[in-house]
Amino acid sequence: TQLLEQSPQFLSIQEGENLTVYCNSSSVFSSLQWYRQEPGEGPVLLVTVVTGGEVKKLKRLTFQFGDARKDSSLHITAAQPGDTGLYLCAGHGSGNTGKLIFGQGTTLQVKP
Amino acid sequence: EPEVTQTPSHQVTQMGQEVILRCVPISNHLYFYWYRQILGQKVEFLVSFYNNEISEKSEIFDDQFSVERPDGSNFTLKIRSTKLEDSAMYFCASSDQLMSNQPQHFGDGTRLSIL
Repeated sequence: TQLLEQSPQFLSIQEGENLTVYCNSSSVFSSLQWYRQEPGEGPVLLVTVVTGGEVKKLKRLTFQFGDARKDSSLHITAAQPGDTGLYLCAGHGSGNTGKLIFGQGTTLQVKP
Repeated sequence: EPEVTQTPSHQVTQMGQEVILRCVPISNHLYFYWYRQILGQKVEFLVSFYNNEISEKSEIFDDQFSVERPDGSNFTLKIRSTKLEDSAMYFCASSDQLMSNQPQHFGDGTRLSIL
């Protein structure tokens, strides 16, 4: 069974601090996706990482895919209150049916 | 930007009743999905649907669940006899390709409350 474990589950920091969220698995994924979910809304895709070792940047967010394609990280530099939300990692299941397997999410609170 | 729309946003139903959750995927998308998220838990895959048939379903998707694309635009999830444990947010998603680097676009969900 493919599983994704995210850590930490909750993170409360002050504006301006840096943080890293981790997404780990014992399984190899062809790609991993990071979503952000606001209360009362569906997940919204932030980025997809496909190649082992790949690094993608989205403004103050840096996403990395592990060399072995079993893990990924999200690093936020100089966090702002607008970054507050639920961050989810997800990977495609092995059956090529589009099924996404989600981590349990990291709830980030950035205090002004 | 095209989006996936879901109705209703909140559905309250008595246990044992049938419920139909509706979704309008993005118009040129071919692959459709339902996920659910029980409060405080992870988003869980229910079913994927392509070419008018189920591609994959999870263990959660038992005989009480069914999906349909009745008219080429709507994609529905039916629960025949609801149970208390069916209370959750239900998300519909669609994509235009199956390739693993292609995004799934999610609706804002239907909150299903079973009394």
